[in-house]
Amino acid sequence: SSELTQDPAVSVALGQTVRITCQGDSLRKYHANWYQQKPGQAPVLVIFGKDNRPSAIPGRFSGSSSGNTASLTVTGAQAEDEADYYCNSRDSSGNHVVFGGGTKLTVL
Amino acid sequence: EVQLVESGGGLVQPGSSLRLSCAASGFTFDDYAMHWVRQAPGKGLEWVSGINWNSNTIGYADSVKGRFTISRDNGKNSLHLQMNSLRGEDTALYYCARDRHLAVAGVVDYWGRGTLVTVSS
Repeated sequence: SSELTQDPAVSVALGQTVRITCQGDSLRKYHANWYQQKPGQAPVLVIFGKDNRPSAIPGRFSGSSSGNTASLTVTGAQAEDEADYYCNSRDSSGNHVVFGGGTKLTVL
Repeated sequence: EVQLVESGGGLVQPGSSLRLSCAASGFTFDDYAMHWVRQAPGKGLEWVSGINWNSNTIGYADSVKGRFTISRDNGKNSLHLQMNSLRGEDTALYYCARDRHLAVAGVVDYWGRGTLVTVSS
């Protein structure tokens, strides 16, 4: 399968920890990458590879994976973390890329 | 500073063609694969096409295969997307995006601001 599945919406209380998941067969072979997109803005890469953060991304963002499921964890969520989050990876063929449908994170 | 600036979007009728361009600056263009990613209004991200550093490896989403053609000019630091036989479902904001790798790996570390394509009669 070349699809990645995400929950449409997740909420977290301010300062608490939240996990956003991404499922797909390609994740058994390739790492997921994670992007944050705020309204009216281009996406921003927050996690790539096994668990790597671009230098500008706060340490409260981390990634993990098990089997066909990848996860993005936000430890101590802040109000500014409210956004849409997308996972992606190569698909099973290796020459194509696929995005998940996105998860809207609400910080309460 | 890495910059990706898209151009060429607009309002076109179904069945027509459009050519998008992306001007890249602030990095060594031929050290990276490049992508086009689109986002329909109010919808999620959809990968459209990717091209590796020397154009030897190219991939297309099934939704555009046979209608869209990606190309790059490393001498001019530019990326292009030729879009033919446009349909209403191609209406979207089209992002030019850089991969972290030479190959099409899907790790997009820089995005342009996008150019809007509207297909409507």
